[in-house]
Amino acid sequence: DAMVIQNPRYQVTQFGKPVTLSCSQTLNHNVMYWYQQKSSQAPKLLFHYYDKDFNNEADTPDNFQSRRPNTSFCFLDIRSPGLGDAAMYLCATRGGYVNEKLFFGSGTQLSVL
Amino acid sequence: GESVGLHLPTLSVQEGDNSIINCAYSNSASDYFIWYKQESGKGPQFIIDIRSNMDKRQGQRVTVLLNKTVKHLSLQIAATQPGDSAVYLCAESFGNEKLTFGTGTRLTIIP
Repeated sequence: DAMVIQNPRYQVTQFGKPVTLSCSQTLNHNVMYWYQQKSSQAPKLLFHYYDKDFNNEADTPDNFQSRRPNTSFCFLDIRSPGLGDAAMYLCATRGGYVNEKLFFGSGTQLSVL
Repeated sequence: GESVGLHLPTLSVQEGDNSIINCAYSNSASDYFIWYKQESGKGPQFIIDIRSNMDKRQGQRVTVLLNKTVKHLSLQIAATQPGDSAVYLCAESFGNEKLTFGTGTRLTIIP
């Protein structure tokens, strides 16, 4: 049974049209992450939540925003997608301890036309 | 900044042989390391992890070796099978909430 669920599996949007990707988890984990992964590259951390505390990476563009309305759900909002934002977006969770493995969802593949 | 990298971007191995995937890390303060398997179009799947107070850890058909002296991490897969074909990602952290990933090695199993 999937524990970290990302929807949709594939998302197509137009240049400049806002898009929201969603992630839900059944693990009751404190920490939720959003990674961006471009083709043949390593996943790159965009931001993460520790409970309700938002932690943005210094090099994450302002175009990327996130919301976590409750423990189970986390959203990635791209306010004005550009062609360079086409990528796989990965959601991951972790329990409240450091140095523990992350559980990943299957990802959302975003295309920008 | 600190980074985690891999020596070989691609690796082809005969079915049934053992595979060794290598990873170099640059942050000597890193205290936790992890290997993920990522199949095409899917999210990373946990394989095995190791803490810096250990040199070796074994799982089912997999072994992770950590050499802190030369800041090197390796993943050994015994008796590789077609289902082992994937990209293998190493990652590290240093006592915080974030994992930093390397680019990955694509493992191809030759029948």
